[in-house]
Amino acid sequence: EDQVTQSPEALRLQEGESSSLNCSYTVSGLRGLFWYRQDPGKGPEFLFTLYSAGEEKEKERLKATLTKKESFLHITAPKPEDSATYLCAVLTSGGSYIPTFGRGTSLIVHP
Amino acid sequence: GAGVSQSPSNKVTEKGKDVELRCDPISGHTALYWYRQSLGQGLEFLIYFQGNSAPDKSGLPSDRFSAERTGGSVSTLTIQRTQQEDSAVYLCASSLVNRGGNQPQHFGDGTRLSIL
Repeated sequence: EDQVTQSPEALRLQEGESSSLNCSYTVSGLRGLFWYRQDPGKGPEFLFTLYSAGEEKEKERLKATLTKKESFLHITAPKPEDSATYLCAVLTSGGSYIPTFGRGTSLIVHP
Repeated sequence: GAGVSQSPSNKVTEKGKDVELRCDPISGHTALYWYRQSLGQGLEFLIYFQGNSAPDKSGLPSDRFSAERTGGSVSTLTIQRTQQEDSAVYLCASSLVNRGGNQPQHFGDGTRLSIL
């Protein structure tokens, strides 16, 4: 059974304190790994897609990396507006178009 | 361009009533998904459409839940004889479908359903 585990469940940072969120997966084969950001009262907002180990994507203070078993979302010098829940999801090679989502990491950045 | 649009944004109804939730996907997106998100919980998959057909409806929690999609575009999720445990945010997402089958989903902001 495909599994996606995100850690930590919650993370509190001071503004400017860099850190990383983890998404580990046990799937039969990876077609794609997706990162989303969800603000309270909103739907998830797409951030990145990663397709193969070694791939990296960057957007502002965020950088996503991928290995064969996990992905990291690195947040450099975060600001309070980066506070949100970050979700990762994977699509596996079994042919299903239904991604498996993790439970998310709730990030709070204090000024 | 326009994103995924859901309506209503909020719905309050009495237990036992039927409700219809609407989703307008991004133009050209042939795949459409419905999810449910309860407070503090993860995303619960309900149903997936490819065009107007639903090859995967395995997540529908009971026969009170049904969904349809017409014209390869708008989708409606219907909940009959609502129960209090149906209270949640219902999210719709759409995506392109390519040969690799690895395109991201784009979500609407959901309908917050409250059953009194």
